[in-house]
Amino acid sequence: GDSVTQMEGPVTLSEEAFLTINCTYTATGYPSLFWYVQYPGEGLQLLLKATKADDKGSNKGFEATYRKETTSFHLEKGSVQVSDSAVYFCALSDGTGRRALTFGSGTRLQVQP
Amino acid sequence: GAGVSQSPSNKVTEKGKDVELRCDPISGHTALYWYRQSLGQGLEFLIYFQGNSAPDKSGLPSDRFSAERTGGSVSTLTIQRTQQEDSAVYLCASSLTGQGKNEQFFGPGTRLTVL
Repeated sequence: GDSVTQMEGPVTLSEEAFLTINCTYTATGYPSLFWYVQYPGEGLQLLLKATKADDKGSNKGFEATYRKETTSFHLEKGSVQVSDSAVYFCALSDGTGRRALTFGSGTRLQVQP
Repeated sequence: GAGVSQSPSNKVTEKGKDVELRCDPISGHTALYWYRQSLGQGLEFLIYFQGNSAPDKSGLPSDRFSAERTGGSVSTLTIQRTQQEDSAVYLCASSLTGQGKNEQFFGPGTRLTVL
């Protein structure tokens, strides 16, 4: 079946540090890939997405590139802020027409001033 | 409203009682999803509606769980004879339908605590 694997958290960084959160996947067909973010006390929000190989999703300074050859969709940001502290979830929607999202376990990011 | 809304935001119940959780999707979204977020299991898919029918119920954990959707809008998730392991945050999401339109918008969730 489909699966998403994320790096274990928490990830603790100082403000303005570079962020990478690793995500790899196993899926049937050609999935669409997503990063969702959950800020403290809030619901899940879509951060960015990519629907085909080599696409780069970007939003709020975050980027992720759909790498079919390595089945990866790593999240990066060049300079994190305290306000980026949240839980980040990698997810996929497989290419078979099944609409359910399969989520990774989430990675908690803590940014210290 | 502008986003997906869910009610109640919190529900505390006793083991063995039935509960109903409600979801109001974004107006015009034909697809609706229920997920569960728990400490031990992460985010799990429960059921998907297209209009009023549910072509994918594969994530419902037992026959104590059921859901319906009426008028292509509001959905209710019912858990009968609740158990302590049902304690979780239940999330609803909605989306448009069509090629490349699987961007799902999530509600704030209902936190269910079974004592």
